[in-house]
Amino acid sequence: DAKTTQPPSMDCAEGRAANLPCNHSTISGNEYVYWYRQIHSQGPQYIIHGLKNNETNEMASLIITEDRKSSTLILPHATLRDTAVYYCIVRVAPYNNAGNMLTFGGGTRLMVKP
Amino acid sequence: GAGVSQSPSNKVTEKGKDVELRCDPISGHTALYWYRQSLGQGLEFLIYFQGNSAPDKSGLPSDRFSAERTGGSVSTLTIQRTQQEDSAVYLCASSLADSFMNTEAFFGQGTRLTVV
Repeated sequence: DAKTTQPPSMDCAEGRAANLPCNHSTISGNEYVYWYRQIHSQGPQYIIHGLKNNETNEMASLIITEDRKSSTLILPHATLRDTAVYYCIVRVAPYNNAGNMLTFGGGTRLMVKP
Repeated sequence: GAGVSQSPSNKVTEKGKDVELRCDPISGHTALYWYRQSLGQGLEFLIYFQGNSAPDKSGLPSDRFSAERTGGSVSTLTIQRTQQEDSAVYLCASSLADSFMNTEAFFGQGTRLTVV
């Protein structure tokens, strides 16, 4: 599996955009980039995923570089409720009997401040 | 139910006792995952089921840990002769069968296990 590297922590002012970076320099061609977050005392929550193109949904935007070696999760208007640990995950290829599990690294602890 | 359900939500047990944790995945989800999270730590993968079979048991920390899934639905994680280091939140997740479509995994709220 490709490994990911994220900064351990970041701060963001409420109402501003939060840009969370992730490096995945060994990603292979058929691996997707997933983002999950875990709010304190809750299970992880899916945010967004992508392969090559930038993606946007009601929660966030995902920007993937052209060489796919890094990506950025953007929360356009961060709120206090967005304070959480954000995990960038590269998922193993489909139909791989070694498992389609999500391998979580350390993540980035985002603190949104008023 | 609407989401992944885990029971019990909290379990306190004495060292050396066996415990059984239950996970009810979302109906129709054939993939099921168990993770654990120790206090202040990241998620540690334990085991993955596709249907009733577990092609990947590599994450189980010792032979005291076992898991089964019957009927392609409910899964139980059993820890025998519990030790204090087993204390953690045990999380279950499920997702649709993965073909060449990638699907998100939905997590339950976890079972907080405390071994005293």
